[in-house]
Amino acid sequence: AQSVTQPDIHITVSEGASLELRCNYSYGATPYLFWYVQSPGQGLQLLLKYFSGDTLVQGIKGFEAEFKRSQSSFNLRKPSVHWSDAAEYFCAVRMDSSYKLIFGSGTRLLVRP
Amino acid sequence: EAQVTQNPRYLITVTGKKLTVTCSQNMNHEYMSWYRQDPGLGLRQIYYSMNVEVTDKGDVPEGYKVSRKEKRNFPLILESPSPNQTSLYFCASSFGDRDYSPLHFGNGTRLTVT
Repeated sequence: AQSVTQPDIHITVSEGASLELRCNYSYGATPYLFWYVQSPGQGLQLLLKYFSGDTLVQGIKGFEAEFKRSQSSFNLRKPSVHWSDAAEYFCAVRMDSSYKLIFGSGTRLLVRP
Repeated sequence: EAQVTQNPRYLITVTGKKLTVTCSQNMNHEYMSWYRQDPGLGLRQIYYSMNVEVTDKGDVPEGYKVSRKEKRNFPLILESPSPNQTSLYFCASSFGDRDYSPLHFGNGTRLTVT
C-alpha cells in the first residue's frame, strides 16, 4: 500500500542554521510529490511539488526539495531558517487514479532565537 | 481572491446532534475533498468528489456524509456525531483533470464533540 513516512516528529534548529526535513514514500509508479506547510491556526499551504524532470525543485519561501528515486525520498531543505518558518510540515504523495493525496504524519519545526 | 472557505472555524457540540460544516471554493475546481487531521496521524481523507453529483469514500468515511449539488460547494454532514469525531477538519479543492494542479486548502474547522 502507498504510504509516506516522516521519521522526525519534532525538529529544533537555531535561527540562521540549515534545515533538512526527511520524507520517504512507498509507491509503485513515479510519484507526484508535495511539501505543504501549516502555520498555527491556518490551512495547508503548498511549498513545492515534483512531477518529473529536474530532481531538485525550488519552492516558495526559499525552500527546495530533492527527489531521489533510489532512496524513495523527497527531503525538504532550506539553507538558513528564519523564525517565521516555525510550523508543521507535511510531505504528501498523490495517487494518479483518484487525485487523492496521502500525507505523512508531519514534522513540527521549532526555531530557537 | 482565490480561496476555499470553511465555516464554522470552531464548533462545540454534543453527541448525537446533527451538524454540517460548509465548504465553498471560488476557483471553479472540479475536485473537492474532506480531510481530518489528528495528532500523529497526519491528514486522512474522509470523502472526495470528482465533480457535481459524483462523490466517493476516502479512507475514513464512517460517520460522515457529503453532497455535491453545485460545483462550488461540498458540505460535510455528521448525522450523529460522536466524541471520536473530535478533530480538525480541512476542505480542499483542485482542478482534478490537470496533472499539475495542487490541492488548495481551507483554514480548517476545529470540532469538539462532548
